[in-house]
Order: sequence, then C-alpha cells, then structure tokens
Amino acid sequence: QKEVEQNSGPLSVPEGAIASLNCTYSDRGSQSFFWYRQYSGKSPELIMSIYSNGDKEDGRFTAQLNKASQYVSLLIRDSQPSDSATYLCAVNANSGYALNFGKGTSLLVTP
Amino acid sequence: GAVVSQHPSWVICKSGTSVKIECRSLDFQATTMFWYRQFPKQSLMLMATSNEGSKATYEQGVEKDKFLINHASLTLSTLTVTSAHPEDSSFYICSARDVAGVRQETQYFGPGTRLLVL
Repeated sequence: QKEVEQNSGPLSVPEGAIASLNCTYSDRGSQSFFWYRQYSGKSPELIMSIYSNGDKEDGRFTAQLNKASQYVSLLIRDSQPSDSATYLCAVNANSGYALNFGKGTSLLVTP
Repeated sequence: GAVVSQHPSWVICKSGTSVKIECRSLDFQATTMFWYRQFPKQSLMLMATSNEGSKATYEQGVEKDKFLINHASLTLSTLTVTSAHPEDSSFYICSARDVAGVRQETQYFGPGTRLLVL
C-alpha cells in the first residue's frame, strides 16, 4: 500500500504568521506532488504542484520537495483567516495518473 | 481554464432507486476522469478511473455493478449509483486530467455531488 501521511491537526496559527504543513510519502518512484485546499463542504482546489527537488514559490505559497527524504511541505506566508481549510497532499502513483491523497491537515488561522 | 462541472450538486433519493451523476470538463478534453467518494471528516477515496471509450477501472472493494461508470465522450463521464442505500450517502467528487495540458498528472476537481439516500 502506497502511503501518504499528514498530521491531521488542527494546526492553529495567528493571522500574519507562517503556516507550515508537512507530508511524507512511501513510494520512492513518485514523481509528481500536489497540494490541494479543501474548504468544509467543498471539493478540493489545486494550490501548488511540484516535480523537482527544492522550493517552488507562488505568491504567499511555497512548496518544498525533498525526494531523498520522501518529504514535501507547504508554507503559507502572511496567513489569513481565509486560509483556514483542510490541506490535502497528493502524490502521483505513476499508474494511470491516479493520485494518492493524504488524510489532510486542518489549518485554523486566528484573527 | 481547466473547469470541471458536476450535476446535480445535491440529490436526495429513496432507498432502492438509482441516481446518475454527471461530470463534465468544460474547456478541455479529458480522456481520463476519476471518481472519488468522501465521507464526513475523512479523506478522498478513489473509487474508479474512467477512461474514454473503454471500461472503467475500479479500486479494490468498490462494486462495479453498483457504481456504473460511463465515459462516452472526451468531456463527459457519468456515475450511476444503482439501488442506492443509506450507506451510499456521501460526497461524490469527480476530477479530470487535461490531456493537452503541460503537466498531464494534474487533476482538476468538480464541485462535488452530495447524495443523501433516505
């Protein structure tokens, strides 16, 4: 079973702080990594994708990938209450393009 | 771009009836679509992979005769829950892969369909 692990949280950060979300995966052959945001009662929304080691920045979001450690993270700078949601880490299973999802980390940004 | 729609967004039905959910890619072609189910406070569970023009591939434990999938065109996949029972009540979400996209692994999700079986 190919696993994607996330801390379920909730992770609580004050408004304006940096939120750090972490994800580990078991399949060393994985090549594509995604972060989705899911608001309560809504479907997932793609935030970031990352494919090579290192950092990738997009606005307030930075994805970090370390394939040797099988670790991917998402940093949210200047966190806003509207960032409060569940963040899902997804890893490409290299089989028909299916994705393996983690259980998600609940983030709460307090005013 | 990369918009996926689902219809209906909400459905309530009686036990024993069948319900059809549509998933459409509005501005791109999708040879592959995916169907997920999500129970409250749980993560997405992949049910099946829908391939245009061929039979769907079901995940272990998913009854293919109960969850009928048809992917008749490059922009439409349907999921039919046959003889629905209360335990089938869930949030059903589809996603689609843009075959012409730069990174074909990316999946774009529809808004989901909430099914309640009474």
